[in-house]
Amino acid sequence: DVKVTQSSRYLVKRTGEKVFLECVQDMDHENMFWYRQDPGLGLRLIYFSYDVKMKEKGDIPEGYSVSREKKERFSLILESASTNQTSMYLCASSGSANTGELFFGEGSRLTVL
Amino acid sequence: GEDVEQSLFLSVREGDSSVINCTYTDSSSTYLYWYKQEPGAGLQLLTYIFSNMDMKQDQRLTVLLNKKDKHLSLRIADTQTGDSAIYFCAESMWSGGGADGLTFGKGTHLIIQP
Repeated sequence: DVKVTQSSRYLVKRTGEKVFLECVQDMDHENMFWYRQDPGLGLRLIYFSYDVKMKEKGDIPEGYSVSREKKERFSLILESASTNQTSMYLCASSGSANTGELFFGEGSRLTVL
Repeated sequence: GEDVEQSLFLSVREGDSSVINCTYTDSSSTYLYWYKQEPGAGLQLLTYIFSNMDMKQDQRLTVLLNKKDKHLSLRIADTQTGDSAIYFCAESMWSGGGADGLTFGKGTHLIIQP
């Protein structure tokens, strides 16, 4: 089974702090994604990557950056956290050989005080 | 642009059938998906349907696709308390090799009444 692991389930940070959210997948998938999930807004795509060192902006990239130095790892970075970045962050991956479905991690709930 | 719409809530009695509906706007969608999210967890793929199919059945789940009306539904037969979750409809224009991601609806909260 595909496993997508997000390193932190719950984080509490202060405004202005730098925050790293880590995601690792074990199925050699080419594509990795970061979404945020907010009540009433559903899932919104922040960034995605289709290869090592490649990244593409999603629908709401402002205030975020990403890093993909290795194929299995995709990191989401909040350079200076703000209270409006309090959210559930979901990492996902997909391969090129399947039907395009995404495999999700358990999520990281971030609270910025 | 792409848009996926679904009702926010659905309440059904235990043992009844649940029907969750979804509409989408992009006629070039190749795959449509239903994901389930239980409290505090990530999303799990329930089922998907290719755009040239009308129906797909998998045990208690039946997916119907009306491509003309751009309407997708998920029917859960004999709804149980374990079916209580948020159900997301999603579409993709994936055609192999790309990383377009999926466009998700806002999710339907399925509430089971005893």
